[in-house]
Amino acid sequence: DAKTTQPNSMESNEEEPVHLPCNHSTISGTDYIHWYRQLPSQGPEYVIHGLTSNVNNRMASLAIAEDRKSSTLILHRATLRDAAVYYCILRIGGSNYKLTFGKGTLLTVNP
Amino acid sequence: KAGVTQTPRYLIKTRGQQVTLSCSPISGHRSVSWYQQTPGQGLQFLFEYFSETQRNKGNFPGRFSGRQFSNSRSEMNVSTLELGDSALYLCASSLLSRVSEDGYTFGSGTRLTVV
Repeated sequence: DAKTTQPNSMESNEEEPVHLPCNHSTISGTDYIHWYRQLPSQGPEYVIHGLTSNVNNRMASLAIAEDRKSSTLILHRATLRDAAVYYCILRIGGSNYKLTFGKGTLLTVNP
Repeated sequence: KAGVTQTPRYLIKTRGQQVTLSCSPISGHRSVSWYQQTPGQGLQFLFEYFSETQRNKGNFPGRFSGRQFSNSRSEMNVSTLELGDSALYLCASSLLSRVSEDGYTFGSGTRLTVV
């Protein structure tokens, strides 16, 4: 799987937007960009995924650079419940049946 | 709807024993995967099943095995347990066969401690 690079940790204040970056300079044309998060003492939770266009859902937005070499997960208003490790993962289209997790970004949300 | 159910939640075993963990996916989900999470190695892929067939396997020794039943429920087995097998074992299920286009739903895991 192509590799992703994320900051080890980030900090945010409650009710402020959070932009979590991910670099994936070796991404191929068929790789989907997936984001998961893992809250303490829980399994990972699917957040969002996209291929080329920006995506929005009830949890977050995913902004994908035009060259697809980077992406940003946007939490519009951080809450204490958003404190978690966020993983950016590339998935080969159609044939890859596994998730390759890196170390992710530990997000701390301050009240 | 019910989520992914893993049993048991906690387990303590002795070195050399074997263990079987169970996973019930979300109803209708036919893809089931297993992951091991440790503080040192993070989350690592074990294997994935779809319609009772193993489609992909991670880099784990043959002591780790799994299977999927016709109702999509899955089990994983670890034989001859070692201290290093102590970990959180996570199961995940997905609806689509082409999982790049869908997300996985994870269970809360089984915490295995080998003493």
